Order: sequence, then structure tokens, then C-alpha cells
Amino acid sequence: KAGVTQTPRYLIKTRGQQVTLSCSPISGHRSVSWYQQTPGQGLQFLFEYFSETQRNKGNFPGRFSGRQFSNSRSEMNVSTLELGDSALYLCASRGGGSASHNEQFFGPGTRLTVL
Amino acid sequence: QQPVQSPQAVILREGEDAVINCSSSKALYSVHWYRQKHGEAPVFLMILLKGGEQKGHEKISASFNEKKQQSSLYLTASQLSYSGTYFCGTEGVLNYGGSQGNLIFGKGTKLSVKP
Repeated sequence: KAGVTQTPRYLIKTRGQQVTLSCSPISGHRSVSWYQQTPGQGLQFLFEYFSETQRNKGNFPGRFSGRQFSNSRSEMNVSTLELGDSALYLCASRGGGSASHNEQFFGPGTRLTVL
Repeated sequence: QQPVQSPQAVILREGEDAVINCSSSKALYSVHWYRQKHGEAPVFLMILLKGGEQKGHEKISASFNEKKQQSSLYLTASQLSYSGTYFCGTEGVLNYGGSQGNLIFGKGTKLSVKP
């Protein structure tokens, strides 16, 4: 069974640009969560999608948005990039609707560098 | 809402034991533990649920005190392969008692096991 895949793996952008990151979950998984990882801050929760609906959202500005398609693939968009957006962006999928009984499987991440 | 992990870092010799703590200010439905090795994605270790149910790793144990909203991860007879950053992820409780549905992770505890 293929794991979670994320594209691209590395990205370099300049301030003010926008970027779209993609995540393909494990086949059959309907929940996709996105996290921002920076040194010393751990995994900061961005949002979670389940069956094409955003179900939960973290404390990030509106420049960060996402969506999920009918095949459960998800995209995350960041507009008007700032230097502080440089980070590793991880997506994670799980099979069930609740976190309680379902482990999350993380993708390898997209390393975004904003210059 | 981000849970607090302690210690931030710990260095062990092979065979020694360690305890990593995770504390939340919110009522919890479940606690999850993940380990991330350098340059890799986080990998699932355990889920601890309200009521005492556990699911996960055979060689690593954990506890979950629902009343104190705390969890501890116990690493006994540590091996070199235990090195990495450990994250706890907490799932909150909604007003009606149901689960929040998503995980909020702490900043992590860096564990280094030396020969």
C-alpha cells in the first residue's frame, strides 16, 4: 500500500508570491491534516479536511487556505508569502473520521524556503 | 491549546530509562505519541484513550491521566534506535463530550541515546 505522498518536495519562492502544495493520502483515507513544522515550534496544526469539508482549523492567518478533492487528495495554498512562512509543511492522512482510534500517517513533507 | 512537553531534551546511555511528559490545559479525549528521526516524517507510536484503552508500540509504554490532562511516555532499556524527537498530540473534548477530531502537537522532546 503506497504511503502519503507530497509534491513538490522542495520549493523556493520570494516574498509576495503564492504557492500551492499537494498531498495524496493513503488509498481509502478520507481525512487529511496539514501541519507547519519549524525549529523549536513543533508541529503547528493548520487545518483538517474530511470528505471535502474543512472540519478543523488552526490559528493561522487567512493567507493559508486549503481544499480537498473528491478523491481525497488535498492542496494547501499560501498567498503573499512572508519570510516567516519558510518551514517544512507536512500532511497526514488517516482512515477514520476521528483521531481517537486512528493513527495518522505522515508524508515526507514539502520544504518551503521564502527568500 | 498546544500541549506542553517536558523535558525539552534528554541524553541517555544505551540501556537507561527515560520519561517524557505531556500536559494540556484542556480536557482531553485522547493522546497520541509520535517519533520523528532527523530528516524523516513523524511515525506513530501510541494512542491512549479516555477509559484506559491503548493501542500501539510493543516496547514502549505510556500512561494517560484524564483528570490531570497529562500523559507520560516511558522508554525503558533505551536503544540507539530510540533517538529522535518525540511529539505528543492531543485530541480535545467538545462541549457535549465528543472528540475534537484533530490533533494538536507539542513542541517535542529531543532524545539522544549514546553508546
